[in-house]
Amino acid sequence: GAGVSQTPSNKVTEKGKYVELRCDPISGHTALYWYRQSLGQGPEFLIYFQGTGAADDSGLPNDRFFAVRPEGSVSTLKIQRTERGDSAVYLCASSGLAGGDTQYFGPGTRLTVL
Amino acid sequence: KQEVTQIPAALSVPEGENLVLNCSFTDSAIYNLQWFRQDPGKGLTSLLLIQSSQREQTSGRLNASLDKSSGRSTLYIAASQPGDSATYLCAVGGGARGADGLTFGKGTHLIIQP
Repeated sequence: GAGVSQTPSNKVTEKGKYVELRCDPISGHTALYWYRQSLGQGPEFLIYFQGTGAADDSGLPNDRFFAVRPEGSVSTLKIQRTERGDSAVYLCASSGLAGGDTQYFGPGTRLTVL
Repeated sequence: KQEVTQIPAALSVPEGENLVLNCSFTDSAIYNLQWFRQDPGKGLTSLLLIQSSQREQTSGRLNASLDKSSGRSTLYIAASQPGDSATYLCAVGGGARGADGLTFGKGTHLIIQP
C-alpha cells in the first residue's frame, strides 16, 4: 500500500508570505504528526492529531503556525508571515489506532524562505 | 523536558565490521523507543520499535536493546555493508499511551567503507 506522501517536495517563498504544506497519511491511520528538521538536527515535534482534533500542539513555535485535519485524513500545515528562520524540512508521520505504534514518515517538504 | 543524546555523532568503519550506536535519554518514563535511518535528502525509515516493557528487538542484522532504568539504548549492526551508510536516529515516545510526539537525538552519521 501507499506510504505517507507530502506535497510539495520543495517550496521556495519570500519572507512575509503565506505557505501551506500538505500531508496524506497511510490509509486508516488515525494518528498524524508534524515535525520540523533543521540541518544537522533531529526532527522536532510540532503537533499531533488523533482523528480530526489536535491532541497536542505544544510544539508549534508561535501563532504563525497552524495545522488542520478536517476529515481525519489529509492534514495541512499553514505558516503565516514566513520568516527566514522557518526554513527547514517539514516532516509528516502517521501511525495506527492507539498511538504508541511505529510512526511512518513521509519524504518531507523542504521549505526555503528567502 | 526529555533530552536524547546519541554517541558518536559520526562513525566511519570498513565493510564487514560489527558496530554499536549509542542512545541515552534523561527521563526514563518512556512508552517506547524507536530507531530510524535517514538517507540524504530523504524521510525517515523505521528500523525497530521497542516497547518500554521489552529489553530488545531484532530485525535481520540489526539488534536494538533498551535499558529503561538507566536511560540507554544501543543499536547493534552486524556485518556492516556499504548500503548501511546513512544517519541513524534514536527517538523516544512518551505520554499516557505513547501517543505523544517523539523526541529525537541528533543522530549518528555512519559511513561504511567498501
